[in-house]
Amino acid sequence: KAGVTQTPRYLIKTRGQQVTLSCSPISGHRSVSWYQQTPGQGLQFLFEYFSETQRNKGNFPGRFSGRQFSNSRSEMNVSTLELGDSALYLCASSPQPTSYEQYFGPGTRLTVT
Amino acid sequence: AQTVTQSQPEMSVQEAETVTLSCTYDTSESDYYLFWYKQPPSRQMILVIRQEAYKQQNATENRFSVNFQKAAKSFSLKISDSQLGDAAMYFCAYRSRNTGNQFYFGTGTSLTVIP
Repeated sequence: KAGVTQTPRYLIKTRGQQVTLSCSPISGHRSVSWYQQTPGQGLQFLFEYFSETQRNKGNFPGRFSGRQFSNSRSEMNVSTLELGDSALYLCASSPQPTSYEQYFGPGTRLTVT
Repeated sequence: AQTVTQSQPEMSVQEAETVTLSCTYDTSESDYYLFWYKQPPSRQMILVIRQEAYKQQNATENRFSVNFQKAAKSFSLKISDSQLGDAAMYFCAYRSRNTGNQFYFGTGTSLTVIP
């Protein structure tokens, strides 16, 4: 089985722009979670999607949003980018929300200048 | 909210020796899971080992084992016979049994293996 894939792997944006990141879960996995990883804050939970519905949301401003499609692929969007949004964005998939294991993708490195 | 603390930002170990990484957590829940994840320089997070809170027996996966002290809210990872490939960032993580796939991670411990 192919693992979790994320596109693009690297992205450079300018402050004020918006960005969309994509995540394709492992085949058969229906739960997708997103995390922001920074050197200072570590990994912080952004949100979780299951069956095209957001189930959980972390403590991030409304500029961070996401969605999930019927094929379980997920996208996250960040609007009005700030310098502090520079981070590695990780996607993880699980078969179900009740599954206790998550499988992570390689991440998208976002740099905001 | 749950918090996970890893007090050792960096650790080093001689090849073939044993090292223990520390993790403490804070929760008011009684039913949860604990995990150790490894993130090599390529950045793909890999599950190393997991522990269910209701199980008293410490989990073991080959050279990796944990010391789970529920009352003390402590969850340390022991790596035996360390290998060069063990060099990575190690993250301790907590997941409630009841709130879906929302993991709480520590800030990580960077492990160096010295040949």
